Amino acid sequence: AQTVTQSQPEMSVQEAETVTLSCTYDTSENNYYLFWYKQPPSRQMILVIRQEAYKQQNATENRFSVNFQKAAKSFSLKISDSQLGDTAMYFCAFMYYANSKLTFGKGITLSVRP
Amino acid sequence: DVKVTQSSRYLVKRTGEKVFLECVQDMDHENMFWYRQDPGLGLRLIYFSYDVKMKEKGDIPEGYSVSREKKERFSLILESASTNQTSMYLCASSLRGANTEAFFGQGTRLTVV
Repeated sequence: AQTVTQSQPEMSVQEAETVTLSCTYDTSENNYYLFWYKQPPSRQMILVIRQEAYKQQNATENRFSVNFQKAAKSFSLKISDSQLGDTAMYFCAFMYYANSKLTFGKGITLSVRP
Repeated sequence: DVKVTQSSRYLVKRTGEKVFLECVQDMDHENMFWYRQDPGLGLRLIYFSYDVKMKEKGDIPEGYSVSREKKERFSLILESASTNQTSMYLCASSLRGANTEAFFGQGTRLTVV
């Protein structure tokens, strides 16, 4: 079974600065996908970014990028130029190639200070 | 605009009641999921369905059952609600296949008293 670990329960960052959220996972599989989801105070979960394990290139979506280290089973999210609207819970998630089940970490609460 | 709609945003039920949480998606997705979200525990999968009338247990199915009679609707049933089922419940749907984005409902905060 896959496990996803987010060891930091909360972080805080100054507006316009950069912050990195950590995630590690454990799996014996070779083909899988990794995701970061955001849950703002409105509770609506939305996808931030995804990464295919077979791709060496790190995914990037505007101010959001990942550092994917497959051998270390690490998948961190970097948020550049933090904005107040980035304040939310962030969840790292794993999906095995053969099915569509998403396994989530415990999440991290990010606060962006003005 | 894609949409997953959960029937209630807030719900208060009494211990022992049978509770139905409804979820409807309008995206013709094959997969539907029910998660439970608790502080410090993240999202835990209760059940998922990959087709009409098909279901599989997730990580914490005890005390819950599900029903999927139509493709767009996935119901979570608490046969006899207990106080330890007080939680936030999230429904999600996705297309069949890997690397597909899951779309979530707005959540139902259930309180069992």
